Parts: sequence; C-alpha cells; structure tokens
Amino acid sequence: EPEVTQTPSHQVTQMGQEVILRCVPISNHLYFYWYRQILGQKVEFLVSFYNNEISEKSEIFDDQFSVERPDGSNFTLKIRSTKLEDSAMYFCASSWRNNSPLHFGNGTRLTVT
Amino acid sequence: QQQVKQSPQSLIVQKGGISIINCAYENTAFDYFPWYQQFPGKGPALLIAIRPDVSEKKEGRFTISFNKSAKQFSLHIMDSQPGDSATYFCAASGAGTYKYIFGTGTRLKVLA
Repeated sequence: EPEVTQTPSHQVTQMGQEVILRCVPISNHLYFYWYRQILGQKVEFLVSFYNNEISEKSEIFDDQFSVERPDGSNFTLKIRSTKLEDSAMYFCASSWRNNSPLHFGNGTRLTVT
Repeated sequence: QQQVKQSPQSLIVQKGGISIINCAYENTAFDYFPWYQQFPGKGPALLIAIRPDVSEKKEGRFTISFNKSAKQFSLHIMDSQPGDSATYFCAASGAGTYKYIFGTGTRLKVLA
C-alpha cells in the first residue's frame, strides 16, 4: 500500500537555526498538509497546500514557517529560525482531494536545544 | 465553533470488553468525521470514517455511531484486544476548510 514517507525521523537543532523537514506524499494525491503534535498531545493543523500554493494556514504558521513543493514528489516544511517551543513531532499528510481521508507519515521528531 | 471535544482522556478496558470513546462538535457544516489510531512513535492511521447521511458505520470490530441532532459521534471497539492499546483521535472536517480539527485524544489500554 502506498504511504507517506518523511525524513529525517529525528532532527536535533540549536535555537535560531534553520531546519527543513522533508516529505514524499502518496504519488496520486493532490492535497498536502503539515500537522504538529507536541508531546503526544493534540494533533494541530499547520498548513495545507494545493495546486502549488498554500490553501489554508493556522495561526501557528507564522512568517518563520514556509512550505515548498520543489519537484513532482517532495513537499518540504522550513522553519527559518527555530525556537524551543518548536520542539514537536511534525507530520506530513496527503489526500487525493479535499475533505477525503488523510494519510499521515510517521513524522519527524524535532528537538530544539 | 471549530472545536471537537473528546472524552474520556484515558480508558482502561479488560480484554474482550467494549471500548467507547465520545466526541462532540459545534459546527453543523462539518461533513466528514474520521477516527484515527496512533501507536507510540507512529503517525495517526485512519481507522474508520463516517459522513452525516448515515447514523452508523461498522468495519469489523469498529463501529461509529453518529447523532446529527446532538452533534455527537462515538467509536465503539467490540471485543477489545491488547493490540488495540493506542491513542485514538476523532476529527471533523468540511465547512469550507481544508483542515481536520482533531479531538484531544483518548489513550486506550486493554488489559490482557
């Protein structure tokens, strides 16, 4: 069964550094998402991406965050200057259309020291 | 209006018992209600989902009951097994939004 893959599985960075989290969504999916989960708590929406542009973003997704689909397969989340509170699990997800089942990757654990 | 409230926060059930997790929403424009199962260190995995045109959906041991007038839906796990021990999240989507609104999660432990 096709799956969403994320790399790296764990990223440790120092406060103020830039990080890029990478995702390969399911190949025929058209909608792409990033979610965040802090310490096994609630899964929080960050951003959705469709047709090469952001379709929706949350208040968490401020100017420090950006997303990109640099080629036909990858989808990235960049955090420009990481803060301690950015430490979380970041999940990429994809779906073939809006309001249809989301398929999640296994996440990248980001630790900011 | 965008919240989804989930209860209980944690649940302990004996093997073979029934696990019941409840969710309530406010926005009547939501039209898709999935349940996700998450094991430690893994991403949420879709378990079962329902749309408001039906009141119940069953897949194997998992059943969603949906009460549109009360704006509530619940997950029932019949014959619960130790392998079902995980965190379960309800969610809602629709209402002109691209995102899922997740509940706060229920940590289920099934005792052998």
